Amino acid sequence: GAVVSQHPSWVICKSGTSVKIECRSLDFQATTMFWYRQFPKQSLMLMATSNEGSKATYEQGVEKDKFLINHASLTLSTLTVTSAHPEDSSFYICSARQGGGYEQYFGPGTRLTVT
Amino acid sequence: AQSVTQLDSHVSVSEGTPVLLRCNYSSSYSPSLFWYVQHPNKGLQLLLKYTTGATLVKGINGFEAEFKKSETSFHLTKPSAHMSDAAEYFCVVSDSGGYNKLIFGAGTRLAVHP
Repeated sequence: GAVVSQHPSWVICKSGTSVKIECRSLDFQATTMFWYRQFPKQSLMLMATSNEGSKATYEQGVEKDKFLINHASLTLSTLTVTSAHPEDSSFYICSARQGGGYEQYFGPGTRLTVT
Repeated sequence: AQSVTQLDSHVSVSEGTPVLLRCNYSSSYSPSLFWYVQHPNKGLQLLLKYTTGATLVKGINGFEAEFKKSETSFHLTKPSAHMSDAAEYFCVVSDSGGYNKLIFGAGTRLAVHP
């Protein structure tokens, strides 16, 4: 149980284009979803927190107009990287939490390469 | 503000020997603490967690961690390393805000040699 999937697992896009990453909770309802960014050989940095049906809360320094987050249902959240640049290349990981508990269940991540 | 310091970026052990991954935290509140493991091309997996109660917590795959408030530490141990334990390990503290955000340490890469 408590499986989170991400799609795609790997994507390459050209500079200036937009790319959407999906995060799904497969066997539970996720009231809260989180998006993280991980640079090579570094730790995870929280980008934003989203509750179903509400606007996402972004961490300091994260451009909300560049990283659009939608959490339209209890099983799906999307992260859209708009006008991507090579410096946006990274590993993006989502997690989902059920109810008010502590435990977050992590997706396998999406590797984005912007050329 | 909460923070986590993992004292070793790399740890190398021989198969069958003990594992010790060190973690210190800083928190203004009573913290919740976690250890996650990340294998290549796989999602993070929760090894164990401390919220309240018993300070020695047991996790999956033979891992344990002890919460020591006086030392602000939450070190991860395992009596005998297996080759399959080779991975990246993250010590994590949860803040006490409404969203219970997770704050990750920098990670420790564990290598296990035959």
